[in-house]
Amino acid sequence: KAGVTQTPRYLIKTRGQQVTLSCSPISGHRSVSWYQQTPGQGLQFLFEYFSETQRNKGNFPGRFSGRQFSNSRSEMNVSTLELGDSALYLCASSGAGTGYSYTFGSGTRLTVV
Amino acid sequence: GENVEQHPSTLSVQEGDSAVIKCTYSDSASNYFPWYKQELGKRPQLIIDIRSNVGEKKDQRIAVTLNKTAKHFSLHITETQPEDSAVYFCAASRPTGFQKLVFGTGTRLLVSP
Repeated sequence: KAGVTQTPRYLIKTRGQQVTLSCSPISGHRSVSWYQQTPGQGLQFLFEYFSETQRNKGNFPGRFSGRQFSNSRSEMNVSTLELGDSALYLCASSGAGTGYSYTFGSGTRLTVV
Repeated sequence: GENVEQHPSTLSVQEGDSAVIKCTYSDSASNYFPWYKQELGKRPQLIIDIRSNVGEKKDQRIAVTLNKTAKHFSLHITETQPEDSAVYFCAASRPTGFQKLVFGTGTRLLVSP
């Protein structure tokens, strides 16, 4: 069974640009969550999607948005990038068969210059 | 809002010693408490979890205990090995349907041979 796949693995963007990250969950998992990981702030919750609906949202500005498609794949978008957005963005999927435990992808390392 | 505190931030032990990491949570509605291990440059991986109807759970050299009254839970690693060296994160979540894992700030465990 394939794991959680995130693309791209690495990304370098310029301040002010926008970026879209992709996450394909484990087959059959309908919940996808996104986290931002930085050395200073740890793992911060961005949002969670279930069946194309955002169920939970963290305390991030509106520049951070996401969506989920009918096949459960999810994307997150960050507009007007700031230097402080440089981080590892992790997505995790969960499903009924796992007892709702999360499996993380390898992440997308975003560097804003 | 929800908060999870984790201590210590760093822990150094000799191979064969035991290691204990402690977390406290603020949301009394939390009922799911996973622990993740993240090796350098890799994704967080679930190593053990516990739900609020259980006080203790063991899996070989690792165990987790939960005290719902005091709102704290702990990870115990016995007979530590160098390959146990990693960052460990605790987390807490409300029941299914409101899934939002709130993570502790992490503990860097170093096991010296």
